[in-house]
Amino acid sequence: NSKVIQTPRYLVKGQGQKAKMRCIPEKGHPVVFWYQQNKNNEFKFLINFQNQEVLQQIDMTEKRFSAECPSNSPCSLEIQSSEAGDSALYLCASSPGLGEDTQYFGPGTRLLVL
Amino acid sequence: QQQVRQSPQSLTVWEGETAILNCSYEDSTFNYFPWYQQFPGEGPALLISIRSVSDKKEDGRFTIFFNKREKKLSLHITDSQPGDSATYFCAARRNSNNRIFFGDGTQLVVKP
Repeated sequence: NSKVIQTPRYLVKGQGQKAKMRCIPEKGHPVVFWYQQNKNNEFKFLINFQNQEVLQQIDMTEKRFSAECPSNSPCSLEIQSSEAGDSALYLCASSPGLGEDTQYFGPGTRLLVL
Repeated sequence: QQQVRQSPQSLTVWEGETAILNCSYEDSTFNYFPWYQQFPGEGPALLISIRSVSDKKEDGRFTIFFNKREKKLSLHITDSQPGDSATYFCAARRNSNNRIFFGDGTQLVVKP
């Protein structure tokens, strides 16, 4: 069973508001991924980190999205100005890295933008 | 372009039957293929995975068959149980630490 912790589980925001969600990866997992899963079950990769460094990222949807994984603190994903189309399940996954393949997912943060 | 495709979109089987979920991919550099199981309200959980050097992987009632030449794979669930009712995602990845490409899922319903 995955030990990735995501908070909050549910988040409701009005359009234009900031939305911030957090992720604590499994202990000993230096690689962290963020994905967005929409209501049609389509997954969109957002960004991944190894320790505090960005490995890959998409063109973070018009710069409204930002993410970080500071040392000794939870990773976070923030949407500066939420839009209705951002309503989705945001999934954090972690991996041991170093050639280990598996990504372990947390339960997700379900964001609803009204 | 969709990198990973799944069929059928939904599948209903009776308890005890074998469910077969299909998957195909585009990129021949993909070398790792996990299948995830997701229940409503939860994140995807790794079910079983296979590397491209193998053509079969078995774990209890779950078996992956992999055809590298045709870029196809399938997940067989034998002796299906109502508790197997979930959405199953086929996924693919190139290198370690790289993002995963997901299919759109097969929703499986197992009727008692």
